[in-house]
Amino acid sequence: EPEVTQTPSHQVTQMGQEVILRCVPISNHLYFYWYRQILGQKVEFLVSFYNNEISEKSEIFDDQFSVERPDGSNFTLKIRSTKLEDSAMYFCASLFEGGGYTFGSGTRLTVV
Amino acid sequence: GENVEQHPSTLSVQEGDSAVIKCTYSDSASNYFPWYKQELGKRPQLIIDIRSNVGEKKDQRIAVTLNKTAKHFSLHITETQPEDSAVYFCAASKPGGYNKLIFGAGTRLAVHP
Repeated sequence: EPEVTQTPSHQVTQMGQEVILRCVPISNHLYFYWYRQILGQKVEFLVSFYNNEISEKSEIFDDQFSVERPDGSNFTLKIRSTKLEDSAMYFCASLFEGGGYTFGSGTRLTVV
Repeated sequence: GENVEQHPSTLSVQEGDSAVIKCTYSDSASNYFPWYKQELGKRPQLIIDIRSNVGEKKDQRIAVTLNKTAKHFSLHITETQPEDSAVYFCAASKPGGYNKLIFGAGTRLAVHP
């Protein structure tokens, strides 16, 4: 069964540093997403991406966040200057219209 | 704004009993309602979903019901087993391929042998 793959599985970074989280969506999927889940809380929408541009973003997705699909396969989330409160599990997901979401295994980001 | 309320937050049952988790959504335009099971440290796994043109869907021990008028949907697990223990999330989405999922707060289900 096709999978959404995410790297790294765990990233520890110092406050103020930039991090890039990487995702490889399923190849024939057209819609891509980033969600985050703070420990013990619900999954929250960050951003959706379609046709090489952002479709929608949440209030969480401020100027410190950006997404990119640089080469037609990878889908990246960049946090420019990490804060302690950015510590969370970040899930990438992709979707084929009419189908269900497929979530990646997640990247646990720890900001110290 | 868009919101999904989920109850209860925790649910403890004996093995073999049924478990019911309920969700209410705020946006009447929502038309897709998936349920996810999440084990500790793992990704959310889709277990069943329903679209607004259907009132009920069943897959073995799992069923989902939808009441569009009341804007609520429920997950029913029958003959629960210890391996059903996990956090369950409901979600809702509006039409359109790029529309986001709005998740409920989750229900921690514990099935005791």
